[in-house]
Amino acid sequence: DVKVTQSSRYLVKRTGEKVFLECVQDMDHENMFWYRQDPGLGLRLIYFSYDVKMKEKGDIPEGYSVSREKKERFSLILESASTNQTSMYLCASWGAGRTEAFFGQGTRLTVV
Amino acid sequence: GNSVTQMEGPVTLSEEAFLTINCTYTATGYPSLFWYVQYPGEGLQLLLKATKADDKGSNKGFEATYRKETTSFHLEKGSVQVSDSAVYFCALPNQAGTALIFGKGTTLSVSS
Repeated sequence: DVKVTQSSRYLVKRTGEKVFLECVQDMDHENMFWYRQDPGLGLRLIYFSYDVKMKEKGDIPEGYSVSREKKERFSLILESASTNQTSMYLCASWGAGRTEAFFGQGTRLTVV
Repeated sequence: GNSVTQMEGPVTLSEEAFLTINCTYTATGYPSLFWYVQYPGEGLQLLLKATKADDKGSNKGFEATYRKETTSFHLEKGSVQVSDSAVYFCALPNQAGTALIFGKGTTLSVSS
């Protein structure tokens, strides 16, 4: 069974902390994504990566950075967490054929 | 660039009722179109897709037809079940084909 695994289901962090969200996929996919999901706003693309060490900004990259040192792993970094980054974060991967994107179960982050 | 608009929810139905969730898109060319579903507490999973005009995608009793004349990809099911309660997202690739763009999601609640 193919999988995208996010390291945490729930996280609570303090304002100003540096936060790491980890995502691993076992499908040898080139493309990986981080989305943010908020009520009434749907899914918004934060960053994506099409290869190791390559990254592209999505629609809302401010306050975030990413790291892709290995093909299977894509990390989202909140350099200094703020309360407006409280949200559900979803990781996804997409193969070269781009026929289907696979999602992790999500990380619900609360910044207090 | 490409964009997608889907009907706002929530949609509340009784078991065995007919379901329609409207989705319209704006795109360059004729990209693949997707419906994703998110069950409570889970990430998104592909429900169905269509890769060219007049294609009909179907899965689990759900159907959607790719209509280029009306730029629509409406989701339908003839008889919903309580287990269909979820959030449904219409999606298509961005103009560069590098990521998926999602609608805001429609919450479906089915009661017995």
